[in-house]
Amino acid sequence: AQKITQTQPGMFVQEKEAVTLDCTYDTSDQSYGLFWYKQPSSGEMIFLIYQGSYDEQNATEGRYSLNFQKARKSANLVISASQLGDSAMYFCAMRELGRGFKTIFGAGTRLFVKA
Amino acid sequence: EAGVAQSPRYKIIEKRQSVAFWCNPISGHATLYWYQQILGQGPKLLIQFQNNGVVDDSQLPKDRFSAERLKGVDSTLKIQPAKLEDSAVYLCASSSSPGLAGGWELFFGEGSRLTVL
Repeated sequence: AQKITQTQPGMFVQEKEAVTLDCTYDTSDQSYGLFWYKQPSSGEMIFLIYQGSYDEQNATEGRYSLNFQKARKSANLVISASQLGDSAMYFCAMRELGRGFKTIFGAGTRLFVKA
Repeated sequence: EAGVAQSPRYKIIEKRQSVAFWCNPISGHATLYWYQQILGQGPKLLIQFQNNGVVDDSQLPKDRFSAERLKGVDSTLKIQPAKLEDSAVYLCASSSSPGLAGGWELFFGEGSRLTVL
């Protein structure tokens, strides 16, 4: 069944340290994409990073990297050098090609960055 | 390039009343999604359109919710009659068709916040 699981409701990290937000997924499709979105308190959904199921290298975008382990069906987000502005909700999402690009989201992880 | 437009931004109604939300996706985007996001939770897919056809509406409470996307462009989501548990932010998103060159990202509107009293 198509599913996204984020097991960390909340995470704390010290400013300037790195943090890993966990995401596991379940799909029977071979072609899919995995995403991370950031949602600050303002409510907007900000796209952070994308990983395709056929991509062999982990995706990176500035301070964000996606640790993609296909066999384990995990797509963890790593934020390096955390900043106070990184405090927000983070959602993992999956889009399946075989299901007409159906896109589902996980429950989210709230990240708190401490000064 | 204009983003995804949604209206109204805020709506307060009493239970059993009706409400409608409008979404205009990014020009040329074939896929349009409506999500319901209850406070503190992740977005829940209500309905997905590909052009003007429904791809998935398995989680749409069809006894009270309806949605249409006439001419494959803008879309309307209606709730009638509303219940207290419908209080949420309704997010509209659009995307182009994915391919090797990209197109996987969803673009979101600012959302429509509904409060049902």
